[in-house]
Amino acid sequence: QFTLKESGPTLVKPTQTLSLTCTFSGFSLSTSGVGVGWIRQPPGKALEWLALIYWDGGVRFSPSLKSRLTITKDTAKNQVVLTMTKMGPVDTATYYCARGGLGSVGVDFWGQGTLVTVSS
Amino acid sequence: QPVLTQSSSASASLGSSVKLTCTLSSGHRTFVIAWHQQQPGKAPRYLMKLQNTGTYIKGTGVPDRFSGSSSGADRYLTISNVQSEDEADYYCGTWDSNTIGVFGGGTKLTVL
Repeated sequence: QFTLKESGPTLVKPTQTLSLTCTFSGFSLSTSGVGVGWIRQPPGKALEWLALIYWDGGVRFSPSLKSRLTITKDTAKNQVVLTMTKMGPVDTATYYCARGGLGSVGVDFWGQGTLVTVSS
Repeated sequence: QPVLTQSSSASASLGSSVKLTCTLSSGHRTFVIAWHQQQPGKAPRYLMKLQNTGTYIKGTGVPDRFSGSSSGADRYLTISNVQSEDEADYYCGTWDSNTIGVFGGGTKLTVL
């Protein structure tokens, strides 16, 4: 069975950089076709894709947020890290880590999510 | 990039059936989509992958009363014998290999 768990700060100040870690088990990012991505959901709003990294290091980013995002992987630790710069109040959201990759339609398994609030 | 359109709300009586719709934008009618369920206060749950042919593959543990179908640009999620625990937001999503995935705006299902 797959598990994914997000960790990181619950509160960040405007202009700061957010760093979130996804620690997963039950699969490996060294397996061909596998990807791990990040999706967020502002309170009361819809889901929004942020970024995804593939087993081979290939990455995909939301076009509107690409300049602010970095995604990296540590295959040995089963971790994926998302970094988002220049945080603002509109970035307040629950951030989800998810498994996906080739053969899926973006996501085939979700993490539990972590709420990040941006406030001074 | 594709756009997915969903009705904002739907309702169904306990024990009845309901069909939710996700419509793909022009030029993306053949795209495969996925359906996800988000119960109140919980993370989303992957339900199924649905092709333009109507063929669908459900995720692990998804009850038999959930099924999918397709017609043209429309992708459907049908819930038969609706239960109280089916009250949730339902999102469709797709993947654009040139950029990244997109989700519809979600449909809030109320069970009466």
